[in-house]
Amino acid sequence: TQLLEQSPQFLSIQEGENLTVYCNSSSVFSSLQWYRQEPGEGPVLLVTVVTGGEVKKLKRLTFQFGDARKDSSLHITAAQPGDTGLYLCAGAPAGNNRKLIWGLGTSLAVNP
Amino acid sequence: DADVTQTPRNRITKTGKRIMLECSQTKGHDRMYWYRQDPGLGLRLIYYSFDVKDINKGEISDGYSVSRQAQAKFSLSLESAIPNQTALYFCATSESTGASNQPQHFGDGTRLSIL
Repeated sequence: TQLLEQSPQFLSIQEGENLTVYCNSSSVFSSLQWYRQEPGEGPVLLVTVVTGGEVKKLKRLTFQFGDARKDSSLHITAAQPGDTGLYLCAGAPAGNNRKLIWGLGTSLAVNP
Repeated sequence: DADVTQTPRNRITKTGKRIMLECSQTKGHDRMYWYRQDPGLGLRLIYYSFDVKDINKGEISDGYSVSRQAQAKFSLSLESAIPNQTALYFCATSESTGASNQPQHFGDGTRLSIL
């Protein structure tokens, strides 16, 4: 069974702090997606990383795909209350694009 | 208007009742999915469909059935609801290209409570 382990599961920080969320696996993925989910809504895609070692930036969010395409990280600089939500990673297994493997999520609370 | 619409948004019902959750999309995507989300367990795939004639079981299909009435419509049924099916249910869609990086587009969910 392929798994994606996300850490930490919960994170509560003050506005202005930096944080990193990790998504790790022993399996290789052809791509990895990051989503954010807010209460009462479905997950919304933030970014997709495809190439090993790839780094993508979305304003204060930086996403990295590991060189071996088995892990990824999300770094938020100077977090704001609007960043509060559930962050989910999802990987497309190498050689199988029929369904995604989902992490359990990181619940982030940014306090003013 | 939402691209992926789920109805109802909330439902409370009793054990043993038959329930249908509906999903419709205006994105023109061939692929559609049903997930349930539970605290601590994340998103788990119930069923998925890659076109009207293609239905596949996910990791937790027992106790559920689906119908793909048209490209735009995919419904989930609980034939005889039980309390441990209380959860937040999501429908999602994606494009059907061969690329593995197609994102999934989610509805806003149906909160189902079974008493």
